[in-house]
Parts: sequence; C-alpha cells; structure tokens
Amino acid sequence: AQTVTQSQPEMSVQEAETVTLSCTYDTSESDYYLFWYKQPPSRQMILVIRQEAYKQQNATENRFSVNFQKAAKSFSLKISDSQLGDAAMYFCAYRSGYMNYGGSQGNLIFGKGTKLSVKP
Amino acid sequence: DAGVIQSPRHEVTEMGQEVTLRCKPISGHDYLFWYRQTMMRGLELLIYFNNNVPIDDSGMPEDRFSAKMPNASFSTLKIQPSEPRDSAVYFCASSPTGSGSQYFGPGTRLLVL
Repeated sequence: AQTVTQSQPEMSVQEAETVTLSCTYDTSESDYYLFWYKQPPSRQMILVIRQEAYKQQNATENRFSVNFQKAAKSFSLKISDSQLGDAAMYFCAYRSGYMNYGGSQGNLIFGKGTKLSVKP
Repeated sequence: DAGVIQSPRHEVTEMGQEVTLRCKPISGHDYLFWYRQTMMRGLELLIYFNNNVPIDDSGMPEDRFSAKMPNASFSTLKIQPSEPRDSAVYFCASSPTGSGSQYFGPGTRLLVL
C-alpha cells in the first residue's frame, strides 16, 4: 500500500522569505501523480501544484515549485517570496496513475499535513 | 466555470437523525469522490464514482453510510442514523479522465450532537 509522510507538523517563515515543505512517499508503482494542496482556515482544499512521475522536469506554478526526487521518493514544495496569504495547512498527496487505464485506484492518499505560519 | 458545489455548508443535527449531503461536480468531470476529514484520521476516502457507477466504497465506515450518483451532475452522501463520531468535514471532489487532478468543493461541516 502507498503511504505519504510529512515529517514537519509545523513550519514558520518570514514574509518575503523562502520556505520548503518536505514530503516523502512509498510506492511500488511506476506511474503516479503527486500533488500539494493548500487548506486555509476556510477549510477549502486548493490544488497548488502537481507532478507526473514520468516527467523529469520539476513542476512550477508562479511562486510555488517542487523538487521531485523519484529515486529517493521525495517531493518537497518550495514557496518563494512568502506572503501572509500563504499561511495554511499544506497537504502532500499521492494518486496512482493506473486509474487512466481502467484501474480501481482512483483516490488521493494524503499526508498528515504541515501547518505553515507566515510572520509579517 | 463553477467549481464543485456542496450543500449544505454547515449542518448541525442530533444523534439518530438522518443527514444528507449533496454535491454537484464540475461539468464534464466523470470521476466523483467523497472524502471525510477529522483531526484523528486526517483526510480519508469514503467512496468514489466513475460515470455514475460506484467503483470503490471500501472506505465507507459502516452500513449507516450510503452514497448515490443518479446522474452526472449530482451525488448524495447519506448518514442514517447519525452518531456524534460522524462529526467531521465532508468533501466532495471531481476529476476528469486522464487529468489526475482532483478539484474539491468547499466541504460540509457536520456536527452531530
């Protein structure tokens, strides 16, 4: 079974600085997706960024980027120029890629989350 | 385009009552997921549908929970009878085939007294 581990329950960053959130996962599959979701106090789950396992290039979305190390099964999120609105819970998630071929593994497997605080 | 729509946003009920949560997925998405979030267990999948057909309901806690998807634009999650331990935030998410990404609704915060 696949697992996702976020070893940092809480992190703090100064406004305008850079912070990196860690995530490791365990799987025997070769085809999968990885995601970072943001959950602000409103509880909405917002997709921040995604990475397909077959892509070597790290995904980037504006101030958010990932460091995907497939061999090490590591998937960290870097937030540059942190803003007060970035304060939230961040969840790392895994999804099997075999769903695209009629498989039954469709759900996201989430880590326990990292609570990010941004100091003004 | 509208995102995933869930109703109600908040629900307070008494133990033993029936609770029905509703979800409208993003148009064109053929996968629909129901998740539950609690402090103790985090985010966990309850059930998901593909083209209105339930594919995996292994996460449904017990027979008190049931889910339906009568058409491509509507799904319900019903709890009957409800218990205090069912108190949680329930999320609906949808995904198009081949995308991999799931898009979440705002959630329904359920409190069972």
